[in-house]
Amino acid sequence: SQTIHQWPATLVQPVGSPLSLECTVEGTSNPNLYWYRQAAGRGLQLLFYSVGIGQISSEVPQNLSASRPQDRQFILSSKKLLLSDSGFYLCAKSRDGWYNEQFFGPGTRLTVL
Amino acid sequence: GIQVEQSPPDLILQEGANSTLRCNFSDSVNNLQWFHQNPWGQLINLFYIPSGTKQNGRLSATTVATERYSLLYISSSQTTDSGVYFCAAMYSGGGADGLTFGKGTHLIIQP
Repeated sequence: SQTIHQWPATLVQPVGSPLSLECTVEGTSNPNLYWYRQAAGRGLQLLFYSVGIGQISSEVPQNLSASRPQDRQFILSSKKLLLSDSGFYLCAKSRDGWYNEQFFGPGTRLTVL
Repeated sequence: GIQVEQSPPDLILQEGANSTLRCNFSDSVNNLQWFHQNPWGQLINLFYIPSGTKQNGRLSATTVATERYSLLYISSSQTTDSGVYFCAAMYSGGGADGLTFGKGTHLIIQP
């Protein structure tokens, strides 16, 4: 199964508020997990990736952080949102190993006002 | 890091026409994927094709890794083919990285 769940589907938050986006995956154990962001009218940018529980690598310095408390759970957080955090956040997974096909979840659309 | 460029940025065609979308990448890759983003934002996997040729119905793709490009062919276009098509690649020598995406080709199929 390539099922990936993300919630919430949409979110409107004021500037300065905290954020928690959740991603859970089904299927393979010990998957590689990723967070990407798509700003309006632009391509996708890798934010974080994880090869296992508690292992997080960041690609872009920013106002966000990620955690992986369980094998199939990946969380994106912020303590204080900025206007520039608005965008479409997608979680992705691949089988263990880096050169495997990635599959994407349905995404969370975040608007910061 | 690796650079991924897609062309054309926009393409408008009549239903029934054929189209070719191009993806150029700047370095050797171990992963190259084509996606279709539907109106709700969902990324639909079309092909996983770091090299060679694959076909799936009206769609086919070819990656020439030695020349660092990939092509997506859509034949007998339908209005449901409209949307944004993304190419994404992973650098083979970069270790633990995610995909680098191109900016996409926005395809509009008119009835």
